Amino acid sequence: AQKVTQAQTEISVVEKEDVTLDCVYETRDTTYYLFWYKQPPSGELVFLIRRNSFDEQNEISGRYSWNFQKSTSSFNFTITASQVVDSAVYFCAQKTQGGSEKLVFGKGTKLTVNP
Amino acid sequence: NAGVTQTPKFHILKTGQSMTLQCAQDMNHGYLSWYRQDPGMGLRRIHYSVAAGITDKGEVPDGYNVSRSNTEDFPLRLESAAPSQTSVYFCASSYFRILFSNQPQHFGDGTRLSIL
Repeated sequence: AQKVTQAQTEISVVEKEDVTLDCVYETRDTTYYLFWYKQPPSGELVFLIRRNSFDEQNEISGRYSWNFQKSTSSFNFTITASQVVDSAVYFCAQKTQGGSEKLVFGKGTKLTVNP
Repeated sequence: NAGVTQTPKFHILKTGQSMTLQCAQDMNHGYLSWYRQDPGMGLRRIHYSVAAGITDKGEVPDGYNVSRSNTEDFPLRLESAAPSQTSVYFCASSYFRILFSNQPQHFGDGTRLSIL
């Protein structure tokens, strides 16, 4: 069965600090997809990134970077030089190819960036 | 703007009342789903649909009904609301599998529902 674990319930940092949000996934499928979503205080869910299981190249987008490690089943998300606007709940999610399109979410990590 | 539109944004119901949450998408997506978000639980899928006329149960379907009469709309109905259904509800859409399994789901802005 699929499962996504975000062990960090809440993280608090001071502006300009780097912060890493952990995500560990479980699946028996060989092809799967991993996602990160951001939910700011306004409540909407914003798609950040998708990673395919067959593509282990890490990705950087501005201050955001993602580290996909198949060997440890992890898909961690790092924010460099955090800003107050990064304060949000971040969800890691997983989907397998085929099946019922089920997107399995972790329970989320609430990030607070203090000025 | 293209995307997923949910209405209403907020609503308060009394126990036993019925209500329909609306979801509409204009991206020609085949797959639509309803999730509920509760503190400490992440998002859990309630019902989903892969095409007009086809619906199926998700993780937490009890107390909810859905219908899919066309591609655009996917209403969620609470026939007899209970306090346990107090939650934030999200509708999400995406292209349906095969070639598009790696596409992200697009979420509406959510409906905050309180049942007294």
